[in-house]
Amino acid sequence: GAVVSQHPSRVICKSGTSVKIECRSLDFQATTMFWYRQFPKQSLMLMATSNEGSKATYEQGVEKDKFLINHASLTLSTLTVTSAHPEDSSFYICSARLSAENIQYFGAGTRLSVL
Amino acid sequence: AQKVTQAQTEISVVEKEDVTLDCVYETRDTTYYLFWYKQPPSGELVFLIRRNSFDEQNEISGRYSWNFQKSTSSFNFTITASQVVDSAVYFCALSELFTGGFKTIFGAGTRLFVKA
Repeated sequence: GAVVSQHPSRVICKSGTSVKIECRSLDFQATTMFWYRQFPKQSLMLMATSNEGSKATYEQGVEKDKFLINHASLTLSTLTVTSAHPEDSSFYICSARLSAENIQYFGAGTRLSVL
Repeated sequence: AQKVTQAQTEISVVEKEDVTLDCVYETRDTTYYLFWYKQPPSGELVFLIRRNSFDEQNEISGRYSWNFQKSTSSFNFTITASQVVDSAVYFCALSELFTGGFKTIFGAGTRLFVKA
């Protein structure tokens, strides 16, 4: 299957700092990428849909100024958690859609811990 | 409305047993896709299968098989002769076309424990 790389895998930061997470499709171009958040023992919650060259579409209840998404190229989307607080601690997972198959391939996730 | 229900929260089996994970979905669209993903303890979601709404053929891949029944809106997943390495959380997902593209929602997941 296609490969999606997500970096970093784990980050610990102080409250008030910003954290950037990168999501790259390594062997295919992805016009659409997705960002999910997963709480312990729960399902994936879609945060936003990222379309290359345009603004991301955020799900209801997700603060777009808090979670900045940039999809500047066909292989890279970034999620920046701005002014992180302990309640932002979570597992964030990105996925990239392989259009020809309409399959989402997922990154390994980033575990964010805000102290 | 789009909805995916995985009623089994946790299943525990002994190695070599067969196990079926249930998935029931709701959609008003005639065109949609169904998926199964595996999430091992490492956290990464691993794609297992995709089915489109027009293809009701069941599929077998090694020890894995899937039963798609449109009449009951179900897409069940069976692991034959389970192994310890099958221990993971399994998610069923539904993808529909909305304005702006496809959107995928996930069921709550079924945590499978396979004991040696």
